[in-house]
Order: sequence, then structure tokens, then C-alpha cells
Amino acid sequence: NAGVTQTPKFRILKIGQSMTLQCTQDMNHNYMYWYRQDPGMGLKLIYYSVGAGITDKGEVPNGYNVSRSTTEDFPLRLELAAPSQTSVYFCASSPWTSGSLHEQYFGPGTRLTVT
Amino acid sequence: KQEVTQIPAALSVPEGENLVLNCSFTDSAIYNLQWFRQDPGKGLTSLLLIQSSQREQTSGRLNASLDKSSGRSTLYIAASQPGDSATYLCAVNAPDNQGGKLIFGQGTELSVKP
Repeated sequence: NAGVTQTPKFRILKIGQSMTLQCTQDMNHNYMYWYRQDPGMGLKLIYYSVGAGITDKGEVPNGYNVSRSTTEDFPLRLELAAPSQTSVYFCASSPWTSGSLHEQYFGPGTRLTVT
Repeated sequence: KQEVTQIPAALSVPEGENLVLNCSFTDSAIYNLQWFRQDPGKGLTSLLLIQSSQREQTSGRLNASLDKSSGRSTLYIAASQPGDSATYLCAVNAPDNQGGKLIFGQGTELSVKP
């Protein structure tokens, strides 16, 4: 299993541009998450999904959008990039079923700079 | 609102020392608590997961304890090595309406000197 994969690893955007961060998991997990990590801080939840076709906002959703058309993929869309979105973005997945430990598995992250 | 705090923010120890990292949380209603390791510029590696019904978990030189009633967890690292140098994050799994999100502390940056 590759686990959780993210692309790209690095990206520099100009203010106002848009992009999609890709996330794929091959563990058949139903729950998926997007977090951001600012320097010296813990991670904060942007959006999450409890299954294909179902998404919801986390703590810091402004400026982002998501979709979940398949179990495997959970892309994060940035529209009109702003310097405040400079961060490291982590995708995670979790098997949220009866009897599971609800452990979350993280991808390697995408470092985004908006200038 | 659940909040997670890690003390100290940074720790420097000589190689071979045993050390304890602390994590506290404000709401004892949790599913589990996870400890992660993060190397500079890298992703998160899960070290240990303690379910709310458990008191501790062990993996090699690492031992994590959980005292839910007092809102505390500790990560004990025995016989520290330079390769243990990293940032250690604890996170609690919150049974709210946000899909079991993890709430993270800010991390403890550990440096083990040879």
C-alpha cells in the first residue's frame, strides 16, 4: 500500500491564482481530512469528508473548496490565492467504522507559498 | 472547546537521557490520543495511539500514558538518541460533529545532543 499520497510536494503561486492540491489514499478509508500547518503551530482542520459525495467544513475553510467523488480521492481547491494561505497542507485518512481505532494516517504534505 | 497544550515547547538533552514530553487537554471526552513525530520539512509519522479506555501504550523505547480524568498524557522516551531529534505532536480525537477531527498541540521540539 502507498498509503496517503499528495501532489505536488511544493508550489509557488502568485496572488489571485488558483490551484488544486491532490490527495489519494489506497486503504479504502471512508473518512478523509485536509489540515494546514502554519510555522511553529499545530495542524488545523480545513475540510473533511465522511464518504464519497459528503463533505463538510472544518475550523478554517475560508478560501478553499473540496469534493469527494470517489473513496480514494479528496482534492483541495484554492481559489484566488492569498498570502495568508502560505502554509503546509496535509491530507489524512481514517477508517471510521465500528470497532476501528479511528487512527489517522497522514500524507507527506504540500508546501505552498503565495507571493 | 477542546484545547491541547504541550509543554515544553523545546527541549535539549544529552544523548542517553530518559525524557518525558507532556500533553494536556481541556475536555476529557475523547475517543483516543495520538502521538506523532515530525522531522523538519516532512510529514507526520504516527508513533502511538492510546484509546480512551487504555492507560498506556508502548512501542520500543517509547511509552505513552493517558490519564483522561486529569486531561493529561505523557510520552516517555528511554535512552534518547540523536536520531530522536524531531518535533513531537500530540493530538486528541474529538467526538464532536466534525468527523472525528484531530485537535493538535503546538508540539515539543526535541534536540538530542551527541
